[in-house]
Amino acid sequence: NAGVTQTPKFQVLKTGQSMTLQCAQDMNHEYMSWYRQDPGMGLRLIHYSVGAGITDQGEVPNGYNVSRSTTEDFPLRLLSAAPSQTSVYFCASSYGSGANVLTFGAGSRLTVL
Amino acid sequence: AQSVTQLDSQVPVFEEAPVELRCNYSSSVSVYLFWYVQYPNQGLQLLLKYLSGSTLVKGINGFEAEFNKSQTSFHLRKPSVHISDTAEYFCAVGDSGNTPLVFGKGTRLSVIA
Repeated sequence: NAGVTQTPKFQVLKTGQSMTLQCAQDMNHEYMSWYRQDPGMGLRLIHYSVGAGITDQGEVPNGYNVSRSTTEDFPLRLLSAAPSQTSVYFCASSYGSGANVLTFGAGSRLTVL
Repeated sequence: AQSVTQLDSQVPVFEEAPVELRCNYSSSVSVYLFWYVQYPNQGLQLLLKYLSGSTLVKGINGFEAEFNKSQTSFHLRKPSVHISDTAEYFCAVGDSGNTPLVFGKGTRLSVIA
């Protein structure tokens, strides 16, 4: 049982490049989400999904796109990378939001030069 | 809207001493409360949760937390810490709707030998 798998673990981009952070879970969780973690800022929600075909914005969605075509996968796309998007990104999933426990991936560290 | 305040960004403590990490929340509805722990270079994992019932909740690794509705607090405690407890601790609040968890900014616990 792999849980939540994020790829890549590390990535360096140049300003203006685009890329996709992959997230896959094998627990049949309906709810998936992306957070970014920055020093002193804690975890901030970027986008989330309550099921296949449904996505919604979180606290800091600008510059990011998501889609949820399957229950298992929830990729995060950076459209035109900026230095302000240098961060550690975490994907998390659960059976639902609210009272349900989130299972986190190991994180993806992104540096934008 | 929900919010979470972790009152201390850093807490240094000597090994075998007690520790309390403070968390206050703001919510207008019934809440679910969580503490997650993040060890260096890892994702977050659940330490303990309060959903209902007894206000004293016990978690993994000897940690416990007490839900205090009148003070809107959910402080985390451990009577005797170990070097291995060095980590970042996040308090989070959820509700009965389909809304995502809201995380605090985190408290970095450093245990000193």
